[in-house]
Amino acid sequence: QLVLTQSPSASASLGASVKLTCTLSSGHSSYAIAWHQQQPEKGPRYLMKLNSDGSHSKGDGIPDRFSGSRSGAERYLTISSLQSEDEADYYCQTWGTGIQVFGGGTKLTVL
Amino acid sequence: EVQLLESGGGLVQPGGSLRLSCAASGFTFNSYAMSWVRQAPGKGLEWVSIVSGSGSSTYYADSVKGRFTISRDNSKNTLYLQMNSLRAEDTAVYYCAKDCSSSFGGFDYWGQGTLVTVSS
Repeated sequence: QLVLTQSPSASASLGASVKLTCTLSSGHSSYAIAWHQQQPEKGPRYLMKLNSDGSHSKGDGIPDRFSGSRSGAERYLTISSLQSEDEADYYCQTWGTGIQVFGGGTKLTVL
Repeated sequence: EVQLLESGGGLVQPGGSLRLSCAASGFTFNSYAMSWVRQAPGKGLEWVSIVSGSGSSTYYADSVKGRFTISRDNSKNTLYLQMNSLRAEDTAVYYCAKDCSSSFGGFDYWGQGTLVTVSS
């Protein structure tokens, strides 16, 4: 079964960096994923896609502070130089034939 | 500029029906799959349904299969979700989302959402 697992919460200080993790279920470690940001009281916003070959593509206007990487079944979203507006929920997404799957989301608090 | 504008949400009684629409602009609509995603109050994102760019293939989450129908009118650049036999647990903000491919490849644009409330 295709499942994405995310930690429910994370926190980091203003100006620091944070690395969020999304883990693919067993047997699906090669899957591509996408990262989305949802600020309070707003709709989701696409951040980037991490392809199975390690390449990635970002959404329109996404700053260089946001980057993605991978290791095995884990996919990472790193946010550097944290700003107050980065406080949001972050969701990873993957897909297969006829199915789309979201992780449970990570609530990022900027201290 | 890609824009997705949902409409049609509202208050409906359990067992009732509602049709959501999503008007798309700023891209070649028939070249991309489109999805509906919902978010119950205080909860995470839940994928509901997807339709291929041509409209020939549709898929549904188990939670809505047999009750919801996704469709698209490529001549009007509009995506639809017909929701029947609505339940309290269908209460959510419903978002339409554009896929980055004609079939399945992850979402690269989202609408602002429309609220559906199922209550007596």
